[in-house]
Amino acid sequence: QSALTQPPSASGSPGQSVTISCTGTSRDIGGYNYVSWYQQHPGKAPKLMIYEVSKRPSGVPDRVSGSKSGNTASLTVSGLQAEDEADYYCSSYAGSNNVVFGGGTKLTVL
Amino acid sequence: EVQLVESGGGLVQPGGSLRLSCAASGFTFSSYGMNWVRQAPGKGLEWVSYISDSRNTMYYADSVKGRFTISRGNAENSVYLQMSSLRDEDTAVYYCARRHYNGWFYLDHWGQGTLVTVSS
Repeated sequence: QSALTQPPSASGSPGQSVTISCTGTSRDIGGYNYVSWYQQHPGKAPKLMIYEVSKRPSGVPDRVSGSKSGNTASLTVSGLQAEDEADYYCSSYAGSNNVVFGGGTKLTVL
Repeated sequence: EVQLVESGGGLVQPGGSLRLSCAASGFTFSSYGMNWVRQAPGKGLEWVSYISDSRNTMYYADSVKGRFTISRGNAENSVYLQMSSLRDEDTAVYYCARRHYNGWFYLDHWGQGTLVTVSS
């Protein structure tokens, strides 16, 4: 069982927006603004999409955004494209030099 | 271009040992902390360990503490993971990943991974 809870699946049509939630506790997401999100295509290595809750590394399009409220973080992908179909994982610093991940959400572009 | 290439995976019996390596190129390796993250077949990601750029700080997940040891050779541009007392549940693809400058817990470049299978 993962430390952070994500829905197993999400979907949207091309051009639509989809939001993926990630629920933790006050010991991780709620306690720090150290949330990150990763995209993983099948058979590939994960890619950093969001760090520090809402910041995008260079090269990540601005239609990808992140936010946090209380113990829940969210990733929104707007203007869905076929290439967005992948698994998405949230992560948070959890104190005591520990990092936790969510179980992952499979995003399907219909 | 940042490149991370893991090696050393394979089949090992429960209770056995294995040493993973990760060769880095395309950046000043000695200036970056490094992590190991694993992914069991068909499962999610699990952070395993971190080592700072100067080797004076190491962190471990509770699930591997006392069994795994992270190290690095800055002259060799490599980071290592010595795994001992291996269990079935250690079966996974092991990725090395570079820390982002904003925090050691953000992983901005990953290797392609090496598969470790623990089975009798």
